[in-house]
Amino acid sequence: QSALTQPASVSGSPGQSITISCTGTSSDVGAYNYVSWYQQHPGKAPKLIIYDVSNRPSGVSNHFSGSKSGNTASLIISGLQAEDEADYYCSSYTSSTSVIFGGGTKVTVL
Amino acid sequence: EVQLVESGGGLVQLGGSLRLSCAASGFTFSGYWMSWVRQGPGKGLEWVANIKHDGSEKNYVDSVKGRFAVSRDNAKNSVYLQMNSLRVEDTAVYYCARGRYSSVLWGQGTLVTVSS
Repeated sequence: QSALTQPASVSGSPGQSITISCTGTSSDVGAYNYVSWYQQHPGKAPKLIIYDVSNRPSGVSNHFSGSKSGNTASLIISGLQAEDEADYYCSSYTSSTSVIFGGGTKVTVL
Repeated sequence: EVQLVESGGGLVQLGGSLRLSCAASGFTFSGYWMSWVRQGPGKGLEWVANIKHDGSEKNYVDSVKGRFAVSRDNAKNSVYLQMNSLRVEDTAVYYCARGRYSSVLWGQGTLVTVSS
């Protein structure tokens, strides 16, 4: 199964809002509300920032938000900060009882 | 402290075997699905396998089916990944993570290098 499709890179200036898309199929993103988003800084383990499409774990900043429409999920980072510069990955549960990740998006704060 | 600690990584020859371990602490291990996720050098995350609370259900990515086996010992608060017939493309940092659909708790990862 192919990875979910994410843009390779997204950039923005401090204070701006950016959106990262995550496109799957009717067998994964479109079928289940089990889309998650992870932030990963170099050399570190991934950090969960959104689960079940739009929920934030305790302690995660509310300038991260998530949504889904059809086969595409989105992560919105509002009020971009320097520390938001990282790689971001989406993931989804699939109809084959597995989990699939996106290819990752590098966010650059200009 | 709530944490996951992986061990068992290392350098292995093409076609060889390795067993990864992940020790959990600070939470009720037997109440959670556990997953293994890997990340090749300079690459993205790839889900590898998961296992249900009681070990009664196991799922694998197609590329490791028949070669890898996930297991757990709830008495030891540990989950394992037995990796056989290793390929160069299995070279990666292997993370264990708590959860089935999403994981708020991850280990620090253990590096597996398969040499040809």
